[in-house]
Amino acid sequence: AQKVTQAQTEISVVEKEDVTLDCVYETRDTTYYLFWYKQPPSGELVFLIRRNSFDEQNEISGRYSWNFQKSTSSFNFTITASQVVDSAVYFCALSEAGVSSGSARQLTFGSGTQLTVLP
Amino acid sequence: NAGVTQTPKFRVLKTGQSMTLLCAQDMNHEYMYWYRQDPGMGLRLIHYSVGEGTTAKGEVPDGYNVSRLKKQNFLLGLESAAPSQTSVYFCASSSGGASVREAFFGQGTRLTVV
Repeated sequence: AQKVTQAQTEISVVEKEDVTLDCVYETRDTTYYLFWYKQPPSGELVFLIRRNSFDEQNEISGRYSWNFQKSTSSFNFTITASQVVDSAVYFCALSEAGVSSGSARQLTFGSGTQLTVLP
Repeated sequence: NAGVTQTPKFRVLKTGQSMTLLCAQDMNHEYMYWYRQDPGMGLRLIHYSVGEGTTAKGEVPDGYNVSRLKKQNFLLGLESAAPSQTSVYFCASSSGGASVREAFFGQGTRLTVV
């Protein structure tokens, strides 16, 4: 069974600080996909990034960066120079491709991390 | 672009009543999902579908039924609502194929069972 753990329930930082959100996953499949989503106070879910299990290259998009390490089953998300608008709940998610596990593209989310950026 | 549309957006039910939540997507996506979101518990998968006419149980399927008679629609039914089903419900869809693409979400349905 697949599982995603976001151990940080809430994080509070002051504007311009860097912050890292942790994500640890479990899967028996050799091919899988990892995602990060943002849920601002308005409630909608916004897709941020997708990464497959064969691509361990870190990615940077503006102030956002992601560190994928298969050796530790982690897919951490860093916001550099945080801003008040970054305040939101952030979710990490996992989907197995179903190659070896037999699962059918079940998309599993972690419990989320509430990030509050204070002015 | 409508994307993923959920109907209704808000609903109050009495214990024991039934209702159906409708999810419609216009992106020709193969996969569709129903989640519930409760404080501190993230998004928990109720049921999902990998194609028209197919459904599968997720993490918390008890008390819910689903149907996918048409590719673009995924219905979530509550036969006898209970207060424990008070939650925000999200529908999502994603494209099929060899790789797994990101899911697109509806705006959510806030359901209160009294």
